[in-house]
Amino acid sequence: GENVEQHPSTLSVQEGDSAVIKCTYSDSASNYFPWYKQELGKRPQLIIDIRSNVGEKKDQRIAVTLNKTAKHFSLHITETQPEDSAVYFCAASPGNQFYFGTGTSLTVIP
Amino acid sequence: GAVVSQHPSWVICKSGTSVKIECRSLDFQATTMFWYRQFPKQSLMLMATSNEGSKATYEQGVEKDKFLINHASLTLSTLTVTSAHPEDSSFYICSATDRGQGEQYFGPGTRLTVT
Repeated sequence: GENVEQHPSTLSVQEGDSAVIKCTYSDSASNYFPWYKQELGKRPQLIIDIRSNVGEKKDQRIAVTLNKTAKHFSLHITETQPEDSAVYFCAASPGNQFYFGTGTSLTVIP
Repeated sequence: GAVVSQHPSWVICKSGTSVKIECRSLDFQATTMFWYRQFPKQSLMLMATSNEGSKATYEQGVEKDKFLINHASLTLSTLTVTSAHPEDSSFYICSATDRGQGEQYFGPGTRLTVT
């Protein structure tokens, strides 16, 4: 099955700086890559997604890049704010199942 | 947006008993529902995928006789943890989608503690 790896596991940045989280996947059939934000005790919320026919997608301060050849994709958050602090999960979908990365705990220091 | 509910939000049960968790899509018809397990500070581990009216597809290593999944309608899926043991204590989250490969909408999760 699909194996998704995510790095780093923890990330601390100063407010206003950028944060980058990277994921790799193993199944070349994966063609949909969503990113979720999960605050403590709450359900995961979709923040951005990208499909395999696109190399980059941006939504305000959040962007995702995808390199199909290398099988890796990244989340970029610019101008970070304290409310961005949460756990972020990447996922890869080869069909209708989603396989999640191990998560990155992001802390934005005011 | 689409809303998914789960019930109960938390449950404590004794070893050897069974617990049923419900997952409902409130404002859309869920063609597919997923069940995940999440340990503290860890990722979501896909347990099984269920389609309405058919048997669930379990991920490798998940005991289908222990984690019974029923997807009785387009708005309801249930997960029954049978003969629960302390090691089954975890956070169980369901999600649902209304199309083949689209956004998954997550439920709020159920905290299960087995004593």
